[in-house]
Amino acid sequence: GAVVSQHPSWVICKSGTSVKIECRSLDFQATTMFWYRQFPKQSLMLMATSNEGSKATYEQGVEKDKFLINHASLTLSTLTVTSAHPEDSSFYICSARDYGGTDTQYFGPGTRLTVL
Amino acid sequence: QQQVKQSPQSLIVQKGGISIINCAYENTAFDYFPWYQQFPGKGPALLIAIRPDVSEKKEGRFTISFNKSAKQFSLHIMDSQPGDSATYFCAATQSGSARQLTFGSGTQLTVLP
Repeated sequence: GAVVSQHPSWVICKSGTSVKIECRSLDFQATTMFWYRQFPKQSLMLMATSNEGSKATYEQGVEKDKFLINHASLTLSTLTVTSAHPEDSSFYICSARDYGGTDTQYFGPGTRLTVL
Repeated sequence: QQQVKQSPQSLIVQKGGISIINCAYENTAFDYFPWYQQFPGKGPALLIAIRPDVSEKKEGRFTISFNKSAKQFSLHIMDSQPGDSATYFCAATQSGSARQLTFGSGTQLTVLP
């Protein structure tokens, strides 16, 4: 089956530092990847849509200069949280659609970010 | 408005019972309806999905019932097991877009042993 990995699975950082999260599709090519944020006991909130080779599309209210997304290849997208603050602490999840353009999105295991 | 309403927020079922989670949508452009299962601290996993051209889809103990005219769909979990205890999200997506998923608010299912 289609597998999406994320790295790291958890990270703790000091306020003001930047954190990079990687999302990889392991056994398929993903033209489109998505980044979500999830707070405890809440649903997934779409942050941005990441397209290989082009700029990401951000949802309303998401600061593109704070959450930098790069989708440099068909198997890798990265999310960088710049100058992280405690309010950025959350569970970040990526998903990927396969190159064949099917409707199925496969999710990564998530990254728990804690900003002290 | 692109929105999917999910109920109930939480559900407690005895082992062996049937768990039923309901979702309703407004956007008639939605054409794909997946259900995801999420365990604490993990990413969502695709459980089962349906398109509006069929009224029911079954995979093992999981069944989706779809009512296009009512714009409603539901997940039935037969013979519920304690291992099914998780949060379930319905979702929908539409053609002609990047296929972003619109998620329901989630249902926390607890199956008692």
